[in-house]
Amino acid sequence: EAQVTQNPRYLITVTGKKLTVTCSQNMNHEYMSWYRQDPGLGLRQIYYSMNVEVTDKGDVPEGYKVSRKEKRNFPLILESPSPNQTSLYFCASSLYLAGSIYNEQFFGPGTRLTVL
Amino acid sequence: SQQGEEDPQALSIQEGENATMNCSYKTSINNLQWYRQNSGRGLVHLILIRSNEREKHSGRLRVTLDTSKKSSSLLITASRAADTASYFCAGADSWGKFQFGAGTQVVVTP
Repeated sequence: EAQVTQNPRYLITVTGKKLTVTCSQNMNHEYMSWYRQDPGLGLRQIYYSMNVEVTDKGDVPEGYKVSRKEKRNFPLILESPSPNQTSLYFCASSLYLAGSIYNEQFFGPGTRLTVL
Repeated sequence: SQQGEEDPQALSIQEGENATMNCSYKTSINNLQWYRQNSGRGLVHLILIRSNEREKHSGRLRVTLDTSKKSSSLLITASRAADTASYFCAGADSWGKFQFGAGTQVVVTP
């Protein structure tokens, strides 16, 4: 089954304790992206990657890191989480066609993170 | 950069009625996409319209795009209770950036 998986689905942690949220897709998609969703703000893009070893900042990259060492995986790293990073996080992937045409994104189920 | 805006923020209709929601965006786009989200779950893609298209249909969905006004609308015809969800537009530029609107919460009552 074609899907994007995220782990963990729920996480409660404390300020300053490094954490990683994993994201994996099995559709051989070139493009992957991380978003955070907060009430009343919709989704805001954190980082995105157009292919292996290529990553770019979205609108809200501060406090986050990513890496893309393999095509299928795109982990989100919070090196020193703070309470303002409490949010619902989504990973997504998409087929990327030559000519900068971005197609529909497939979203993971979300990771609800609480930082105390 | 700023998020797009959606209008209305919430919409309550009865089954069988049409639901229309609008989206405005602020930057140039390659295409605009609409997504549905049920109760904090993952988003599901509904329809994509490219910047050189003005209207697109898919089943009960109709999307329009006006790039001169930087706006789009989504019409859901003959709504069903199962259409109850939040709907988001997302503008994609040519370099991989996506700008999502704040969403329209639609409630369809039987």
